[in-house]
Amino acid sequence: SAVISQKPSRDICQRGTSLTIQCQVDSQVTMMFWYRQQPGQSLTLIATANQGSEATYESGFVIDKFPISRPNLTFSTLTVSNMSPEDSSIYLCSGGGTEAFFGQGTRLTVV
Amino acid sequence: AQSVSQHNHHVILSEAASLELGCNYSYGGTVNLFWYVQYPGQHLQLLLKYFSGDPLVKGIKGFEAEFIKSKFSFNLRKPSVQWSDTAEYFCAVYSGGYQKVTFGTGTKLQVIP
Repeated sequence: SAVISQKPSRDICQRGTSLTIQCQVDSQVTMMFWYRQQPGQSLTLIATANQGSEATYESGFVIDKFPISRPNLTFSTLTVSNMSPEDSSIYLCSGGGTEAFFGQGTRLTVV
Repeated sequence: AQSVSQHNHHVILSEAASLELGCNYSYGGTVNLFWYVQYPGQHLQLLLKYFSGDPLVKGIKGFEAEFIKSKFSFNLRKPSVQWSDTAEYFCAVYSGGYQKVTFGTGTKLQVIP
């Protein structure tokens, strides 16, 4: 399967600021997904990022808080905006459709 | 809606014990099923997957899973666990109807030497 490079791997941010997470895939993929994994919990899908169209957000997630870009078939970014301590989590991107392969994750701590 | 249930949240086993982790899904159509493992401090890795064919699927590190369509189940098994199997295990399902992967809540496995 393809390899995803995700960065940053971790960050500590001040509340009220924004962080942009990048994912680069080593091959073209039609669909990319962004997940959040809060401490001790499973993965929750934030949105599906499709090239050439706006991202599709899951219930409870909005574009103003988590804007996503997908400029081409190998790259996507997720921004966590106006952060609060509740946004402290691991954020994961994945690629593919019938099978998911994952980046290393970004461990975000908001202080 | 598509959902996945993992019944065991935390399992503690001694080395060499047999393992079975339960997974049930709710979607009635054609699905692809997965088990992922997350070792402490690491990212998710694919253990095994089922798309079609033989319902008994063998994965890496001696793991296997059996798809039972009538029970909507995809249980993970290993005959003899090792300390290095200590990790969190996630069952996941993909359906063409929803075009996304849904994860179960995960099972933390602790293997005692």
